[in-house]
Amino acid sequence: RKEVEQDPGPFNVPEGATVAFNCTYSNSASQSFFWYRQDCRKEPKLLMSVYSSGNEDGRFTAQLNRASQYISLLIRDSKLSDSATYLCVPFTSGTYKYIFGTGTRLKVLA
Amino acid sequence: NAGVTQTPKFQVLKTGQSMTLQCAQDMNHNSMYWYRQDPGMGLRLIYYSASEGTTDKGEVPNGYNVSRLNKREFSLRLESAAPSQTSVYFCASKEKGPDTQYFGPGTRLTVL
Repeated sequence: RKEVEQDPGPFNVPEGATVAFNCTYSNSASQSFFWYRQDCRKEPKLLMSVYSSGNEDGRFTAQLNRASQYISLLIRDSKLSDSATYLCVPFTSGTYKYIFGTGTRLKVLA
Repeated sequence: NAGVTQTPKFQVLKTGQSMTLQCAQDMNHNSMYWYRQDPGMGLRLIYYSASEGTTDKGEVPNGYNVSRLNKREFSLRLESAAPSQTSVYFCASKEKGPDTQYFGPGTRLTVL
């Protein structure tokens, strides 16, 4: 089993739609989680950090389910500018290592 | 603050040539990382430096060496480039613990 698994997509959604991505992780010792967005040929940029059960920032909500070892990202009222690849990144304390998923590609259509 | 800077932005090498990728951060971060990103794959850790004076291998260290020159700078060296090292290389830094990593803009390397 891969350490981090994400549906590669692409998810094609119309503007204004709500879309959700899931990410499963295999290391039950992972304590912190990050969602990064990456635009084509650019560096990853932090979207959201999750240290407990979830986090919300405007149109973006992350939910963590430790029992099932998955974390989700919900985007409400999608904008054209949300088109990007979203990377799920678990972190295990004491390892200094962040494990990057391959990402889920989102296309928001006008 | 410039954040994390990387040079060069683009590079083309011939097989067997050597080069050093430079990375610097001005955020006074302790930890620095080198990743490579290939199509269809997540970022893979090459080397990291938990603090000044220390370096450790990551997932894919073969063919690379690193130097943590000081707290600001962390360089990646390819001694004898191979076509399999064609990739986009990202440098990142962070403070202690489970903090956010900040990435540089990347170096796009092609080895012919």
